[in-house]
Order: sequence, then C-alpha cells, then structure tokens
Amino acid sequence: DTGVSQNPRHKITKRGQNVTFRCDPISEHNRLYWYRQTLGQGPEFLTYFQNEAQLEKSRLLSDRFSAERPKGSFSTLEIQRTEQGDSAMYLCASSLVSDRINTGELFFGEGSRLTVL
Amino acid sequence: GENVEQHPSTLSVQEGDSAVIKCTYSDSASNYFPWYKQELGKGPQLIIDIRSNVGEKKDQRIAVTLNKTAKHFSLHITETQPEDSAVYFCAASKPKAAGNKLTFGGGTRVLVKP
Repeated sequence: DTGVSQNPRHKITKRGQNVTFRCDPISEHNRLYWYRQTLGQGPEFLTYFQNEAQLEKSRLLSDRFSAERPKGSFSTLEIQRTEQGDSAMYLCASSLVSDRINTGELFFGEGSRLTVL
Repeated sequence: GENVEQHPSTLSVQEGDSAVIKCTYSDSASNYFPWYKQELGKGPQLIIDIRSNVGEKKDQRIAVTLNKTAKHFSLHITETQPEDSAVYFCAASKPKAAGNKLTFGGGTRVLVKP
C-alpha cells in the first residue's frame, strides 16, 4: 500500500538559505494539498492543486513560498530566504475528487520538518 | 473564512473511561466534519467523519455527534485504551466547489493512563 510520501523527513538549514520539499501523492489522486503545522497547533492550509493547476493559495503563503505540480503527479514546495518563523512541519495530503467520487477525506503524509537556525 | 475551536487542549483519562472532545465551527456552509488522530512523528490519520445531513455516527468505540443549529460537533471515545493516546484534531470543510479544504481545530492531546 503506497501512501503519501514526503522527502526529506527533516531539514535543518541556516537562515537565508533556500529549501525544497517533495511530495508524492497516492497515484490515482488528482488533488494535492500543502499544510503547515507548528508545534502544538493544528495544520494550516497553504495551497492546493487539482492535477497540475494550483487553484488556491492561502495568505499564509508569502512570496518566498512557491509550490508546483508540473505533471499533475508529485509536487514541490520551495521556501526561499528561510526565516526562523518558517520552522514548522510541512504536511502534504492528497485526495481523489470526481463527479462521482468526493468523500472529502484527505490522506496525509508523515510530513517534512523544517528547522531554521 | 471558517474558524474551528476545539476543547479541551489536553485530556487525561483512566484506561477504560470515556473521553469527549468538543468543537465549534463558524461557517454554516461547512458540511463535512472529520476527526483526525496524529501520533508522534506521523501525519494526521482520519478516524471518523460525519456529514451535515447526519446527526450521529458510530464506529466501534468511537462516535461523533453533530448539532448543525448550534454549529458544534463532538468526538466520543469509549472504553479508552493506552493506544488511544495521541493528539486528536477536528476539522470542517465546505463542498467540493470550495476545494475540500480542511480547517482544523487546535488539537486535543489525549493521555490514557493504564
């Protein structure tokens, strides 16, 4: 059973560096979501894709953040010029939505933890 | 936008006792209310969900109730076991056209003492 896969699981970087996270969703899922989770808080929505189209971005997604899903399969989330406030767990989730199927369930990966020193 | 409040933030129960977590939401257009369990170092995993056309749903030891009028929903875990110890999140989302985005509560850390 191949679930949502995220890499790397943990990234430690210095302030000002760029980082990129990768998410491989469940293969038949057409929707892909990025969430951010800080310690002791619930996940916060960042952005989502339907196939390769980025349909919505949260105000939390500053211009230092960019997400792509070029072929409608895997996605990358890049953070440029990292700041200490970017330290968090970045969660990816996927789902299958069609005219016939819409359970609403999101399947989450195990997350990529970013620590900015 | 949607706002989901969750209480309590921590809950300690004796093994075998029941645990109840409560959430309120703000947007009456929300129609899907899942509950996720997150264990240490892992992503959230769906444990039960309820839609706005249903008032109660049960799956073995867990149940969820929904009061649309009051805009609140609750998770009930009966006969708690040590493996129920985790962080639980409630969430709310609007229909497919709004992207199925989930808005999460702040979480409840549940500790089941043997």
